[in-house]
Amino acid sequence: GQQVMQIPQYQHVQEGEDFTTYCNSSTTLSNIQWYKQRPGGHPVFLIQLVKSGEVKKQKRLTFQFGEAKKNSSLHITATQTTDVGTYFCAGITNQAGTALIFGKGTTLSVSS
Amino acid sequence: NAGVMQNPRHLVRRRGQEARLRCSPMKGHSHVYWYRQLPEEGLKFMVYLQKENIIDESGMPKERFSAEFPKEGPSILRIQQVVRGDSAAYFCASSPGKISPLHFGNGTRLTVT
Repeated sequence: GQQVMQIPQYQHVQEGEDFTTYCNSSTTLSNIQWYKQRPGGHPVFLIQLVKSGEVKKQKRLTFQFGEAKKNSSLHITATQTTDVGTYFCAGITNQAGTALIFGKGTTLSVSS
Repeated sequence: NAGVMQNPRHLVRRRGQEARLRCSPMKGHSHVYWYRQLPEEGLKFMVYLQKENIIDESGMPKERFSAEFPKEGPSILRIQQVVRGDSAAYFCASSPGKISPLHFGNGTRLTVT
């Protein structure tokens, strides 16, 4: 079945350092979505990428979708303590009836 | 504009009892998804429903688990004869379409004693 792999599982950075999490799929994705879950909270949608090679930015966050539509990355520039949480990528294939499959997430901790 | 409502927020059941988790999607959303999350693990897909229909239940255990999304009322995830291994956070999400972003509820934390 479809699998979405994410690395690293954990990342600790000093405030101000950059952070990147990577997502890889075993199958071609029709789109990829990124979510953030704060400790004790629920996942919150960040962004959706649809086109091959697409790059989108949200302030200090940069999201990329690979040319083959099988991988994606999230890069945070100059992390802040408010960036703490778990970042999930989630993908969907073109197959009818298939729901969004989530990676295991990357948990980011930031020390000031 | 109320978000996805899940209840109860916390549920404690003894082994062998039944657990019923409820989810009311956002207004205008006809697609409902249930995910299960264990501590420090990702979101494991369980079932995807659209009003009165199960679209994809490939993530549901074959026994004891069932889900419905009736024409009227919330979606229900039902776990019969719960075991300790069922203890987890169960998240419901809704969307207006299949590839639309998901809006998650606050989850139900199920503890089986």
